[in-house]
Amino acid sequence: DVKVTQSSRYLVKRTGEKVFLECVQDMDHENMFWYRQDPGLGLRLIYFSYDVKMKEKGDIPEGYSVSREKKERFSLILESASTNQTSMYLCASSSKVHTFGSGTRLTVV
Amino acid sequence: AQTVTQSQPEMSVQEAETVTLSCTYDTSESNYYLFWYKQPPSRQMILVIRQEAYKQQNATENRFSVNFQKAAKSFSLKISDSQLGDTAMYFCAFMGGIYGGSQGNLIFGKGTKLSVKP
Repeated sequence: DVKVTQSSRYLVKRTGEKVFLECVQDMDHENMFWYRQDPGLGLRLIYFSYDVKMKEKGDIPEGYSVSREKKERFSLILESASTNQTSMYLCASSSKVHTFGSGTRLTVV
Repeated sequence: AQTVTQSQPEMSVQEAETVTLSCTYDTSESNYYLFWYKQPPSRQMILVIRQEAYKQQNATENRFSVNFQKAAKSFSLKISDSQLGDTAMYFCAFMGGIYGGSQGNLIFGKGTKLSVKP
């Protein structure tokens, strides 16, 4: 069964902390994505990557960075967490169809 | 820029009945893909159905079917014989074709919360 695994289901972090959200896929997909989900706003694209060490900004990249050192792993980094980054974060990998992880609910206090 | 609009924030339906969720989109491309995803309380996003714009035939998956009207840029989802397990958020999503410069990302609507009542 193909999988996208997000390392944490729930996270609570303090304002100003550096936060890493990890995502691993086992489908050998080249494309990987990070989305942010907020009530009433749907899912919005933060960053995506189409190859190792390649990254592209999505619609809301401010305050975030990403890392893709290996094909199977795509990390989202909050350099200095702020309360407005409290949200649900969804990772996906894709060939023609997105397969999603189960999400990380991040609370910044 | 492409946009996806779901005009029904919430809907409810009685078990065993049929419900239709609306979705409209805006694009200047002729070749693209449309999706419906389901997100139950478990939070796992599950692909319900996929439609390729160049195919005129409406996609179906068991109790789920779409009404794809390309000229009207409409892509509604019909759920027949609704079941309690269909209770979820439903998201309509658009993916552009590679010739339109798409990198394969999805553009989502804001979602429709569907409740199936016993």
